[in-house]
Amino acid sequence: QKEVEQDPGPLSVPEGAIVSLNCTYSNSAFQYFMWYRQYSRKGPELLMYTYSSGNKEDGRFTAQVDKSSKYISLFIRDSQPSDSATYLCAMSYDNYGQNFVFGPGTRLSVLP
Amino acid sequence: EADIYQTPRYLVIGTGKKITLECSQTMGHDKMYWYQQDPGMELHLIHYSYGVNSTEKGDLSSESTVSRIRTEHFPLTLESARPSHTSQYLCASSGQGNYGYTFGSGTRLTVV
Repeated sequence: QKEVEQDPGPLSVPEGAIVSLNCTYSNSAFQYFMWYRQYSRKGPELLMYTYSSGNKEDGRFTAQVDKSSKYISLFIRDSQPSDSATYLCAMSYDNYGQNFVFGPGTRLSVLP
Repeated sequence: EADIYQTPRYLVIGTGKKITLECSQTMGHDKMYWYQQDPGMELHLIHYSYGVNSTEKGDLSSESTVSRIRTEHFPLTLESARPSHTSQYLCASSGQGNYGYTFGSGTRLTVV
């Protein structure tokens, strides 16, 4: 079993939809959680960084962590065609970069 | 503008050639990383550095080597390229008090 599981998609939604992207993990020691967005032929860019459980909101994006279920989510409200990208989750038990574990990414297409 | 730069963006090279992938950042970050990314797969850490003259191997076995002579520069070298080295290589950095990574745009390497 992989440490971090993520549905690869592709996920296609109409413009304006609410998108839910999810990752599950097996290591209960993970407490730092990140979401990255990666456009085609580009490097990932950090969208959200959360510590421990709870919600964090930034504009149209909300990150949610449920440590009891070992489950994290990224919600995108009012999705736009420019949100079409691959979304990677990453997590770690500490804040040392060499211990970050990435999911394989979910490919999202927002159709105009 | 503070950023992280990777060159070349694309490289097609013959088996047995020596290659160096360049990575430079202008943010003064002390931590730098090299990841390998294959389509639909997780990012795998191949090397990291926490400062000048400090380099470590990541969790993915790699035949590449790195050096960190200057804070801003973290090149990756393959002494003898093989088709199995075909992949996308991503360089990233993070600074003290910064959370998550800043990634470069990547080098897509094809060994024929």
